[in-house]
Amino acid sequence: GAGVSQSPSNKVTEKGKDVELRCDPISGHTALYWYRQSLGQGLEFLIYFQGNSAPDKSGLPSDRFSAERTGGSVSTLTIQRTQQEDSAVYLCASSFTGDRGFGYTFGSGTRLTVV
Amino acid sequence: AQSVSQHNHHVILSEAASLELGCNYSYGGTVNLFWYVQYPGQHLQLLLKYFSGDPLVKGIKGFEAEFIKSKFSFNLRKPSVQWSDTAEYFCALTPGTAGNKLTFGGGTRVLVKP
Repeated sequence: GAGVSQSPSNKVTEKGKDVELRCDPISGHTALYWYRQSLGQGLEFLIYFQGNSAPDKSGLPSDRFSAERTGGSVSTLTIQRTQQEDSAVYLCASSFTGDRGFGYTFGSGTRLTVV
Repeated sequence: AQSVSQHNHHVILSEAASLELGCNYSYGGTVNLFWYVQYPGQHLQLLLKYFSGDPLVKGIKGFEAEFIKSKFSFNLRKPSVQWSDTAEYFCALTPGTAGNKLTFGGGTRVLVKP
């Protein structure tokens, strides 16, 4: 597609429920990233997929967070047993591998509110 | 591990004023440096980048940044701001020549009063 698409754009969920956030990267981009943007916290790296390599999960804050990327394209970020501190905007970006960050294209994000 | 710090969290200035946003990083090796901007209601966009060569880089919309290796800094400047420059600005880096993972600073919210 023309850009990185994320869905839903907004999600309100009750504490303790599981949520799934979806990211459709730009066609042909081999690298995909998830970041979390919290008020006053900047952008926090969560996870990074590069081609067929094992993902870099070093930024996932707890084992309640997981992500997968099927067929090297669409990615789903899952948060289990959501907590109020999970409320944030979750951003997805994609790029060509090895472009050193020049070609990052960000989606508009999913605003998650845990009540 | 690398880190990026932005000194100012909020900046308020009037149109035509000059803008300078500070950015310092911590990393022991070669870095690639970026400034991203997020306008209200829009997604993050790349303003400018530094990989190597001339340490003064020019980006879109009249922005420029200077890489000072001895100070581990990459400050963003614009000589004369406009109301439309109201946005949040993020400094970021990737390490080395093969790193893809961006590490961001905490961001600076800039409000330009008309």
